[in-house]
Amino acid sequence: RKEVEQDPGPFNVPEGATVAFNCTYSNSASQSFFWYRQDCRKEPKLLMSVYSSGNEDGRFTAQLNRASQYISLLIRDSKLSDSATYLCVVNHRQAGTALIFGKGTTLSVSS
Amino acid sequence: GAVVSQHPSWVICKSGTSVKIECRSLDFQATTMFWYRQFPKQSLMLMATSNEGSKATYEQGVEKDKFLINHASLTLSTLTVTSAHPEDSSFYICSARDRAETYEQYFGPGTRLTVT
Repeated sequence: RKEVEQDPGPFNVPEGATVAFNCTYSNSASQSFFWYRQDCRKEPKLLMSVYSSGNEDGRFTAQLNRASQYISLLIRDSKLSDSATYLCVVNHRQAGTALIFGKGTTLSVSS
Repeated sequence: GAVVSQHPSWVICKSGTSVKIECRSLDFQATTMFWYRQFPKQSLMLMATSNEGSKATYEQGVEKDKFLINHASLTLSTLTVTSAHPEDSSFYICSARDRAETYEQYFGPGTRLTVT
C-alpha cells in the first residue's frame, strides 16, 4: 500500500466550480501535512500547510482528519489558472525531514 | 526569499557518460538538501537526503555508486549521474530545507535529463 494515496483524476470542471480533492495516508505517525501544486514540467510549489483545525487561504480550504488519516483540499470559484496537479504531501518522524508525496490529482478548469 | 536554483535545466547526453546537476540555495543556508526523481505521471520519489559535510543517506533501491551526491557547503549540493543509461532519463528535482524552519522545503526548478 502506498504511503500517500490520491485519486489521480483528471478532474475537469468549468470556471467558477467548486472542486474537492481527497488524500489518505497510511502512517499514523505522520506529523506534518501539506498541499503542493505542480504545473506541467515544473517543480512543486507549496500551496498550503494543513492544520488539525482546518485552515483557509482565500479560495482554498484544507482539512485534516487524523482519526481517519484523511486530508482534503477544497477549491472554490475555480479559475483557469488553477489548472495543475495537486500533490498531497506528508512527513513523519521515521522519514526524518523528508517529504512523502502522493502521485497527485490533476485538475483542468475550462472556460 | 527562499530561492533554490538548479543547473542545468535540461541536458541530453549519450549513454555511458556522466552528468552533474547542481542545486544551490540562493538566499538562505541549507543544512539539508534532498534529491528527488520524477518519471512521467508518477509522484516525486526521494532518492537521497544530503546533509552538509557528511555522506548522503540514500533511499532503498537507489545506487549510491551510480548517483553521487556531494554537499560541500551550506548553499550547494551536486548530484552526478554516472554512466547514464536511457532508463535514467527523468526529471531530477532538488529541494532545500532552511535551517530555521521545520519541514517546509523549497524546490529547485528541476533538471530534465534525457539519455540517448
